[in-house]
Amino acid sequence: DAGVIQSPRHEVTEMGQEVTLRCKPISGHNSLFWYRQTMMRGLELLIYFNNNVPIDDSGMPEDRFSAKMPNASFSTLKIQPSEPRDSAVYFCASSLGQGVSGNTIYFGEGSWLTVV
Amino acid sequence: SQKIEQNSEALNIQEGKTATLTCNYTNYSPAYLQWYRQDPGRGPVFLLLIRENEKEKRKERLKVTFDTTLKQSLFHITASQPADSATYLCALVGYGGSQGNLIFGKGTKLSVKP
Repeated sequence: DAGVIQSPRHEVTEMGQEVTLRCKPISGHNSLFWYRQTMMRGLELLIYFNNNVPIDDSGMPEDRFSAKMPNASFSTLKIQPSEPRDSAVYFCASSLGQGVSGNTIYFGEGSWLTVV
Repeated sequence: SQKIEQNSEALNIQEGKTATLTCNYTNYSPAYLQWYRQDPGRGPVFLLLIRENEKEKRKERLKVTFDTTLKQSLFHITASQPADSATYLCALVGYGGSQGNLIFGKGTKLSVKP
């Protein structure tokens, strides 16, 4: 299997622009997670989907962030409008089964976002 | 508030020695604890999972212990090699709450010198 696939790997955008990050989970996995990693805060969960349904979005920073999972093989994380403080590495991850309890979580390689 | 701390930001050891990394937590009752490896520019890679009723778990040169009384997990790499150099993250899953919320420590950067 190709693993979790994220795109783009790197993005530099100007403040105020819309940013869309994409994720293809491992085939057959039914849980999908979006995490954000910064030096200051480490890895933080933004949102978790199970069977394409958002289960926990309490980590989404504010209304500028939105995530969708229209089908089992695709998810997007959108930031509109983007701000410099959104600069971070955004990871998508997937697992077989419900959530993280007892399950192995597979991470993608990340999308490195810089907002100038 | 819930807190996870990994004992140090960086650990330098000599090749062949045993590396020991510490993960402490407070205000938390984890059902599971996981360890991940992260290389620069890459995503975290799952290494080991240990349940609250397990004291120790081994996988090749890796060993994890889990002491719920001390609220601590130790991660050991025996016969360390330069290829083991990476950042190691611990992560906790608690009872109840969101099934999606894996709480991560900030990691310890391990450097193994030849």
